[in-house]
Amino acid sequence: QLVLTQSPSASASLGASVKLTCTLSSGHSSYAIAWHQQQPEKGPRYLMKLNIDGSHNKGDGIPDRFSGSSSGAERYLTISSLQSEDEADYYCQTWGTGLWVFGGGTKLTVL
Amino acid sequence: EVQLVESGGGLVQPGGSLRLSCAASGFTFSSYSMNWVRQAPGKGLEWVSYISSSSSPIYYADSVKGRFTVSRDNAKNSLYLQMNSLRDEDTAVYYCARSVASGSQMIGYWGQGTLVTVSS
Repeated sequence: QLVLTQSPSASASLGASVKLTCTLSSGHSSYAIAWHQQQPEKGPRYLMKLNIDGSHNKGDGIPDRFSGSSSGAERYLTISSLQSEDEADYYCQTWGTGLWVFGGGTKLTVL
Repeated sequence: EVQLVESGGGLVQPGGSLRLSCAASGFTFSSYSMNWVRQAPGKGLEWVSYISSSSSPIYYADSVKGRFTVSRDNAKNSLYLQMNSLRDEDTAVYYCARSVASGSQMIGYWGQGTLVTVSS
């Protein structure tokens, strides 16, 4: 069964860096994923597609502060030089045949 | 600029029906697959339905299969979601989403959403 697992919450200080994790279920470690950001009271925004080899393609206007990497079944989103507007929910997402799956989301708090 | 504007949400009684629309602009609508994704109050994102650029294939989440129907009119640059036999648990903001590129399955653009409330 295709499942994405994310920690419910994370926090980091203004100006610091944070690394969010998305874990693919057993048997699906080769899948590419997407990262999406949802700021409070807004619709989601696509950040990037992240492949198994760590290569990633960012969406329009996504700052260089956002980057992705991979290790086995884990996919990471790293945000550097944290800003207040980075406080948001972050969702990973993937797809299989006839099925699109979201992780439960990570709520990032910028201290 | 890619724009997706949902409409048609509102308050409906359990068992009722509603039709959502998504008006697309800023790109060649007929070249892209589309999805509906929903978000219940205070909850995460849940995929609802997918429709390819040519309207075949079409897929649904198990939670809506047999009750919801997705369609598109490429001449009108519009996506639709017909929702029947609505339940309390269908209460959510419904987002229209476009694939990131022609031929891709990845969701890459989102609308702002329309709220559907199912309540008596």
